[in-house]
Amino acid sequence: AQKVTQAQTEISVVEKEDVTLDCVYETRDTTYYLFWYKQPPSGELVFLIRRNSFDEQNEISGRYSWNFQKSTSSFNFTITASQVVDSAVYFCALKGTSYGKLTFGQGTILTVHP
Amino acid sequence: EAQVTQNPRYLITVTGKKLTVTCSQNMNHEYMSWYRQDPGLGLRQIYYSMNVEVTDKGDVPEGYKVSRKEKRNFPLILESPSPNQTSLYFCASSLRLGADEKLFFGSGTQLSVL
Repeated sequence: AQKVTQAQTEISVVEKEDVTLDCVYETRDTTYYLFWYKQPPSGELVFLIRRNSFDEQNEISGRYSWNFQKSTSSFNFTITASQVVDSAVYFCALKGTSYGKLTFGQGTILTVHP
Repeated sequence: EAQVTQNPRYLITVTGKKLTVTCSQNMNHEYMSWYRQDPGLGLRQIYYSMNVEVTDKGDVPEGYKVSRKEKRNFPLILESPSPNQTSLYFCASSLRLGADEKLFFGSGTQLSVL
C-alpha cells in the first residue's frame, strides 16, 4: 500500500516570509510520480507540479520550488517571499505503478497574513 | 473551454434516498476518478476508470457505485446514502494517468446526508 503524510496540519506566516510544506511518502514501487496541488478558498484544485521518481532534480518556478529526495522519501514544497494569495490548502499526492490509484496526503492549510 | 463539469454543486438529501452526482469532461480523456474530501483526511479516492466500461475501486468504495458507459461521463451513484457520506466530492479526469499527465478537477459537490 502506498501512503502520503503531510505532518503539518496548519501553517501561519506573515507576508514575505519563506515557508516550506513537508511531504513524506511510502511506496514499494520503484517507479512512481509525485504531485502537488493547491486548493484556494474558492475550492477548486489546481495542479502545481509533477515529479517522476527517476528525476531527482529540484525545480523552481518563480517563487515556488520543490525539493525531491528519494533517500528520505520526501518531496517538500517551498514558497519564497509568501503572499496573501498563497493562502490555500496544499496537497501532496503519489501515484505508483498500481494502475489508476492516486493517494493524497491530508493537506496543509497555509495562511499568509498581510 | 476544456473542463470537468460536476452537478450539482450542493445537495442536501435524507438517509436512504438514492442520488446521482454527474461528472462530464469535454477533453476526450480516458481516465476519470472520484474523490471525497474530509477535514483532516485529505482527498481519498473512491473509484476510478481507465476507459469506457473499465472501472475499479479506490481506497473508499463502500456505499458507492459508478459506471462508465461513455467516455465523457462518469456518474457517482449513492444507492442508499448515509450521514457518514456527507462530504465534499470531486471528479477528475486525465488523458491517461501516466508519466506526463496531470488531473483536471471539477468544481466539487458538497453533499449533506441528513
